[in-house]
Amino acid sequence: DADVTQTPRNRITKTGKRIMLECSQTKGHDRMYWYRQDPGLGLRLIYYSFDVKDINKGEISDGYSVSRQAQAKFSLSLESAIPNQTALYFCATSDYGVEQYFGPGTRLTVT
Amino acid sequence: DAKTTQPNSMESNEEEPVHLPCNHSTISGTDYIHWYRQLPSQGPEYVIHGLTSNVNNRMASLAIAEDRKSSTLILHRATLRDAAVYYCILLTSPGAGSYQLTFGKGTKLSVIP
Repeated sequence: DADVTQTPRNRITKTGKRIMLECSQTKGHDRMYWYRQDPGLGLRLIYYSFDVKDINKGEISDGYSVSRQAQAKFSLSLESAIPNQTALYFCATSDYGVEQYFGPGTRLTVT
Repeated sequence: DAKTTQPNSMESNEEEPVHLPCNHSTISGTDYIHWYRQLPSQGPEYVIHGLTSNVNNRMASLAIAEDRKSSTLILHRATLRDAAVYYCILLTSPGAGSYQLTFGKGTKLSVIP
């Protein structure tokens, strides 16, 4: 089984809809992250959480919110989706050390 | 944050060694050099990291210049599975506040059979 799972893997939604992307990890790590990737570009950090009671904004948090429901679960919400939020979204997790483990990604299309 | 510069793309023949360069002339004394790679249709994958000394692991080697202003990721024998985008990232030492990976555009490595 994968260490980091993301659901859904693909989603098409309409402008103005609320959508939630979910992430679960079995690594037992405290730290979790949400990134987005646009075509031809590297990943950009949206939000990160160092433990259940800690939530921090990343580089591009506007238009997004997150919830850390448990050590293993970190969800990303788009309150009112817009077309320029069409992207590939990745969840990642790490412990206090170096390596971040990434999920397989969610491809989101906002029409 | 200190920035890195990588070539947009490189090609290698299968089973040949590959040297992927990265320039980071503004690196600070506390910045670690990290490499991740992203295979097609997958999330990024950690490859290796180092501070000052050269590093080896099962995936690759990392050669760091003495002045730390550049580094080279070495794949000893490229396979078709190594075709990916390789990202060179600088990161301040773990525990020093936030721990954010900042991805640039990376180097797209193509491996020719």
